[in-house]
Amino acid sequence: DQQVKQNSPSLSVQEGRISILNCDYTNSMFDYFLWYKKYPAEGPTFLISISSIKDKNEDGRFTVFLNKSAKHLSLHIVPSQPGDSAVYFCAAIFRWAGSYQLTFGKGTKLSVIP
Amino acid sequence: DVKVTQSSRYLVKRTGEKVFLECVQDMDHENMFWYRQDPGLGLRLIYFSYDVKMKEKGDIPEGYSVSREKKERFSLILESASTNQTSMYLCASSLPGTGKIYGYTFGSGTRLTVV
Repeated sequence: DQQVKQNSPSLSVQEGRISILNCDYTNSMFDYFLWYKKYPAEGPTFLISISSIKDKNEDGRFTVFLNKSAKHLSLHIVPSQPGDSAVYFCAAIFRWAGSYQLTFGKGTKLSVIP
Repeated sequence: DVKVTQSSRYLVKRTGEKVFLECVQDMDHENMFWYRQDPGLGLRLIYFSYDVKMKEKGDIPEGYSVSREKKERFSLILESASTNQTSMYLCASSLPGTGKIYGYTFGSGTRLTVV
């Protein structure tokens, strides 16, 4: 049963506009959420994270919003650039056997059109 | 710069072959992981290890085994490769604490094709 869900497999956005990628989760025990970016034929790279006690975290063009009551988070990219075209994975951290594990969503492919 | 290195970028193997995928990290991380990535299925955890000689099953361990004889090296073994194991395989590592905030460091992946 998937605990982290990305319901949009793909998204297309014009260059310069805002990209909004969404993620829903079911487990209220998750204590950190992360976004990864993945280009074809490369491994995922860490983008931004947010603690479950926060509702917003910002890093340059990237902002993650967390709505705990709705069990929903979103990644905003402003302004979107062609180099942002990639697959974005939402992930959640949970505690297991004294350490932490990530569980991933299925990903959303973002295409930024010049 | 910290690194997770996977020995092969592309591999083609025959059905029934025994396949070894190697992963080495230079960050002295305790935790290491093997995932596979398939279109529409995201990243699925195969096996992980929290210490030398320790291993734990992930979500899809069937048909795979692992070996961790040294801290820096984590090997994934396909005992008898099958076509449904054609996939992108990703190795990752983390420290027990920083993994909570920064997640994992991933290798570049191995694209395995079983024919």
